[in-house]
Parts: sequence; structure tokens; C-alpha cells
Amino acid sequence: LAKTTQPISMDSYEGQEVNITCSHNNIATNDYITWYQQFPSQGPRFIIQGYKTKVTNEVASLFIPADRKSSTLSLPRVSLSDTAVYYCLVGTYNFNKFYFGSGTKLNVKP
Amino acid sequence: ETGVTQTPRHLVMGMTNKKSLKCEQHLGHNAMYWYKQSAKKPLELMFVYSLEERVENNSVPSRFSPECPNSSHLFLHLHTLQPEDSALYLCASSQRPGNTIYFGEGSWLTVV
Repeated sequence: LAKTTQPISMDSYEGQEVNITCSHNNIATNDYITWYQQFPSQGPRFIIQGYKTKVTNEVASLFIPADRKSSTLSLPRVSLSDTAVYYCLVGTYNFNKFYFGSGTKLNVKP
Repeated sequence: ETGVTQTPRHLVMGMTNKKSLKCEQHLGHNAMYWYKQSAKKPLELMFVYSLEERVENNSVPSRFSPECPNSSHLFLHLHTLQPEDSALYLCASSQRPGNTIYFGEGSWLTVV
């Protein structure tokens, strides 16, 4: 089971680009990388998922280097409403062990 | 609205009570999950059901009893809980085990 390591917290200002990096050194060949966002008192919300290289959607981009031992979630031009905890998960596509780490608490300041 | 609905949103129960948490998903998914989130702790995976069959039970105490009568509904039956069981209980579903999971809003449980 691939363990993930993320910074505990990050601060940013409105309008800045934020990059949150996750380490997953023992990622398996079949593992996908998924990021979730969680606001207080709510369930986590899916942001983006990828396997390799770069994935972009309307919310974020996910950069995965060739060795796949890390990944970076990029949030363009953050706003105050992006203040949340961001979780990086590594899981096998064909199995069900989605384990959440401690996540990164992003604090966006005015 | 995530397509996963949990009720009740808040529950206060005594240690001798028996209560149940309910989850319903409207996404046509085949896998459902229960997670527990305590204050300042990571989410803990409790149970996983695939096509109404339990495929994962992460050493959860027997005072928590899951039930999955069909692929759209999941229950968590609670009895003789302890105060340390107070937490946010999250239900989630996915197309099948391993796919992207979608969470409900959670049920806040307080054991007194």
C-alpha cells in the first residue's frame, strides 16, 4: 500500500498559484493518484486524478514526473474559498483501498 | 449535491442506545464505503461493500455493524458506543472498488 507524504499546511494569498506536492515513493505500477478537497464539516470532494505526465481540468492541474514517486497539485489563482484541506491518495485502480493521509491545510489570505 | 445522501446529519446518543446511520447514493454505483473522521485525525476507512458484499473490514469494533441491502443503500448500525466514537461518519460510493469515490456530507455523531 503506497503511503503518501504531504506538507501539513501552506499559506497563500488571493490570486496566487499554489502548488502542493505529495510524495509516494513506493507507488505501484497499477496505482492512480487522486486529489481531494475537504472543507470543514463536509465530505471530501474529488478534484483531479492522474496516472502520469500532466492532467488538467477546470479546477486544477496535476503534474506527475516520469518516476511517479511524487505529484504536484496546482491551483491557479486561488481565492479565499479555496481554503481547505487537500488530500493526496494513491490507490490501485482495481481495488478499494483508498486511504487518506493527514492532508495539507491550505490557508488563503486576502 | 454529490449524489450521496446521508441521514441524519447530526445524532446525539447515549452509550446504551441503538441507532443507525443511513446512506443512499443516486449515482448508479456498485461500491459503497464508510469512513470515520475524528478531530485532527486522518479519515479512517471502516468498511467497503461491492455489489452488496462486504469486501473490507478494517478491524472495526463489533459495536459498529454495517448493512448493505442493495447497491444504493448502506447503513451503519450503532450500539453500546463509547464517547471516543464521537466523530464525523462519511459515506462514499464509486462505480466499482478502486474508482474515484464520491462522498456524502457526513453524519456528526456525539456519544454522551
